[in-house]
Amino acid sequence: EVQLVQSGAEVKKPGESLKVSCKASGYTFSNYWIGWVRQMPGKGLEWMGIIYPGDSETRYSPAFQGQVTMSADKSISTAYLQWSSLKASDTAMYYCTRLGNGYFYWGQGTQVTVSS
Amino acid sequence: EIVLTQSPATLSLSPGERATLSCRASQSVSNFLVWYQQKPGQAPRLLIFDASNRATGIPARFSGSGSGTDFTLTISSLEPEDFGVYYCQQWSNWYTFGQGTKLEIK
Repeated sequence: EVQLVQSGAEVKKPGESLKVSCKASGYTFSNYWIGWVRQMPGKGLEWMGIIYPGDSETRYSPAFQGQVTMSADKSISTAYLQWSSLKASDTAMYYCTRLGNGYFYWGQGTQVTVSS
Repeated sequence: EIVLTQSPATLSLSPGERATLSCRASQSVSNFLVWYQQKPGQAPRLLIFDASNRATGIPARFSGSGSGTDFTLTISSLEPEDFGVYYCQQWSNWYTFGQGTKLEIK
């Protein structure tokens, strides 16, 4: 059974850094792209970018290029989304999703709150 | 960027009624389209993939149709647990979501 388990909720201050994780199981992690999706409070879903764990190739949506960094560690089947300097506008729920032949599996989401 | 436009924005119906949700793409996405249901505080749940195939465990009252630029999600007879927000998403050219249709109890 494919499962994506994300790290827990975070509360941070503006300017702090953060790395959230998405641990995969039930399939060969290296062989499928992982995507990240943002959902701001009360809003819809936005595609941030994707990473291929096999070689760490990344592709970002224009709105998120330079704002976040995606990475992956094949040895522990885990993908990451990180910020070097958080802003209040980064407050949102973040989801990871496994891509593959049009069938998308989702993690449970990580709530990130940025407030002074 | 392919833009997906969902209609209506809000749909108010009663249990037992039929729901018809629309998703229109700004250019052809072939059948590379999925539908999700999302309830408050939950992750999106995959309902339909490849425009017309039900995901594992999805009841038969949910059906998807369409190809190219026009797609429809139909719920044949609404159950109380079907209320929530529904999103379409294409993966033909990058990935984009529609803005969502809120299905609420009348």
